[in-house]
Amino acid sequence: DVKVTQSSRYLVKRTGEKVFLECVQDMDHENMFWYRQDPGLGLRLIYFSYDVKMKEKGDIPEGYSVSREKKERFSLILESASTNQTSMYLCASSLGTGGKLFFGSGTQLSVL
Amino acid sequence: ILNVEQSPQSLHVQEGDSTNFTCSFPSSNFYALHWYRWETAKSPEALFVMTLNGDEKKKGRISATLNTKEGYSYLYIKGSQPEDSATYLCAFIMNYGQNFVFGPGTRLSVLP
Repeated sequence: DVKVTQSSRYLVKRTGEKVFLECVQDMDHENMFWYRQDPGLGLRLIYFSYDVKMKEKGDIPEGYSVSREKKERFSLILESASTNQTSMYLCASSLGTGGKLFFGSGTQLSVL
Repeated sequence: ILNVEQSPQSLHVQEGDSTNFTCSFPSSNFYALHWYRWETAKSPEALFVMTLNGDEKKKGRISATLNTKEGYSYLYIKGSQPEDSATYLCAFIMNYGQNFVFGPGTRLSVLP
């Protein structure tokens, strides 16, 4: 069974903290993505990666960075968390160009 | 920024009703259109990947059509069941196939 695993389901952090969200996939997919979901908005792309050590900015990269040192792992980093980064974060992976996305279960992050 | 729209925003139907929703997307630079179902407390799951104008896909009671020239896709559910209650997302993929732009979703509630 294919699997995308996100390290935490719920996370509460303080303003200014450095936050790491981890995502691991076991499908040998080249492409990995980080999205955030906010009420009334669609899934918005933060960053994606199409290969190890490669990364591309999505639509809303400000305040975030990413790391992909191994093919199966894609980390999202909030360098200094702010309250407007309170959101549901979803990781996804896909095989090939335009292939269907496989999603993790999401991390609900609250920044106080 | 690309605009992908979905209508209606939400829908309440009775068990056994048939229903449909719309996804509108740019008619240029089309690569693919995906439909996803996102049930509460679960991960979004792919329903259909559609790539050709005139495509029709079917999965049980759910089907979808695609018109790339006019930039829309319809999702149909025949004989809705309570387990169909979910948010249905469409994602537009441009011709270089890396960036998925999601619509805001249609929230379906099927009342028993």
